[in-house]
Amino acid sequence: EVQLVESGGNLVQPGGSLRLSCAASGFTFSNYEMHWVRQAPGKGLEWVSYISNSGSTTYYADSVKGRFTISRDNAKNSLYLQMNSLRAEDTALYYCARVRGHSSRDVDVWGKGTAVTVSS
Amino acid sequence: QSVLTQPPSVSAAPGQRVTISCSGSNSNIGNNFVSWYQQLPGTAPKLLIYDNTRRPSGIPDRFSGSKSGTSATLGITGLQTGDEADYYCGTWDSSLSGGVFGGGTKLTVL
Repeated sequence: EVQLVESGGNLVQPGGSLRLSCAASGFTFSNYEMHWVRQAPGKGLEWVSYISNSGSTTYYADSVKGRFTISRDNAKNSLYLQMNSLRAEDTALYYCARVRGHSSRDVDVWGKGTAVTVSS
Repeated sequence: QSVLTQPPSVSAAPGQRVTISCSGSNSNIGNNFVSWYQQLPGTAPKLLIYDNTRRPSGIPDRFSGSKSGTSATLGITGLQTGDEADYYCGTWDSSLSGGVFGGGTKLTVL
């Protein structure tokens, strides 16, 4: 079964750091590009970051650029999001998402999400 | 404020048809494929439509997608109470070099 399982979400103070992980199984992880997408409580979906299958290409939303870093370890079938200088507006459920098509970069597999709360 | 514009809510009776619009620009919808996602309460989003019009396996043909210029539309026929959910359009924005979503549309089946 194709599966993505996020972990690492927690309550953190403003200015703090957190590292999210996503464990992939049931497919050849190294063949797929990946996204992180977040959803603030009661709000819509917000794209956060993208990484190519090799990890050589990354993109970030302006709202997180310079503070978040996406990375992957294909040998461990894992995706990561290092989050620094966290702000209250980063509070959200963070989804790990598999890219279906390179040209479209749409998502065909979503994890269940991991919750990040930034509050003092 | 989302890059893609969707109506906040739509409603229709069971068995009826509803459409949800998604408006963007040349840098996103106009030059990239559009996808649609269904998010049932308390669950992760699910891919409904990709490449503007295509359905993943397992998605009934009651769901359809279309695109014209810088706008896209999701159509749902034969509405069921189980279709009550939030629906999001999404695409890539070539100018932003990033993904973009609509603000979401809440479908109510009366």
